[in-house]
Amino acid sequence: GENVEQHPSTLSVQEGDSAVIKCTYSDSASNYFPWYKQELGKRPQLIIDIRSNVGEKKDQRIAVTLNKTAKHFSLHITETQPEDSAVYFCAASTWSGGGADGLTFGKGTHLIIQP
Amino acid sequence: EAQVTQNPRYLITVTGKKLTVTCSQNMNHEYMSWYRQDPGLGLRQIYYSMNVEVTDKGDVPEGYKVSRKEKRNFPLILESPSPNQTSLYFCASSFGTGPIGNQPQHFGDGTRLSIL
Repeated sequence: GENVEQHPSTLSVQEGDSAVIKCTYSDSASNYFPWYKQELGKRPQLIIDIRSNVGEKKDQRIAVTLNKTAKHFSLHITETQPEDSAVYFCAASTWSGGGADGLTFGKGTHLIIQP
Repeated sequence: EAQVTQNPRYLITVTGKKLTVTCSQNMNHEYMSWYRQDPGLGLRQIYYSMNVEVTDKGDVPEGYKVSRKEKRNFPLILESPSPNQTSLYFCASSFGTGPIGNQPQHFGDGTRLSIL
């Protein structure tokens, strides 16, 4: 099955700086890569996703890049703000035509924004 | 309001006492899934369902059962709970797949189970 590795496990950045979280996956058939943000005591919420036919996607201060050859994808947050402090999870999934396989998540990155 | 609703939100129970965590979605989603979240391990999929009467095992299905008799409901059943099933559980749903592949999953607010 799929295996997703996520790094770093904790990331501390100064407010206003950029943050980058990286994930690698093992199954070359994976074609859908969402990123979730989870604030303390709350549910994971989708912040951005990318499909394997796209190399990069942006949404305001958030961007995701995908390198299919190397089987890794990254989350980039620019101009970080205190409300960006949370745990971020990457995930990978395969759509085989007959239906979706489940999401396999990375273990999460605790992003801390220092004032 | 579009949402995934789980009940109960919190439960403390004892080993061996059967319990059911309900999950209901009002978005007419085909795909539903259960995850457990444990510190340092992230979210791990227990079971998923691509449509009514269709269920499949995820990565950690042992000790759990599910059913999908109706499109909107996907209960998680612990027939004989054990302490190692103490965890935070999330139900999620999505439109499943389509011409452009997988669709984003929407999560419920979670159920915190403690098995003594």
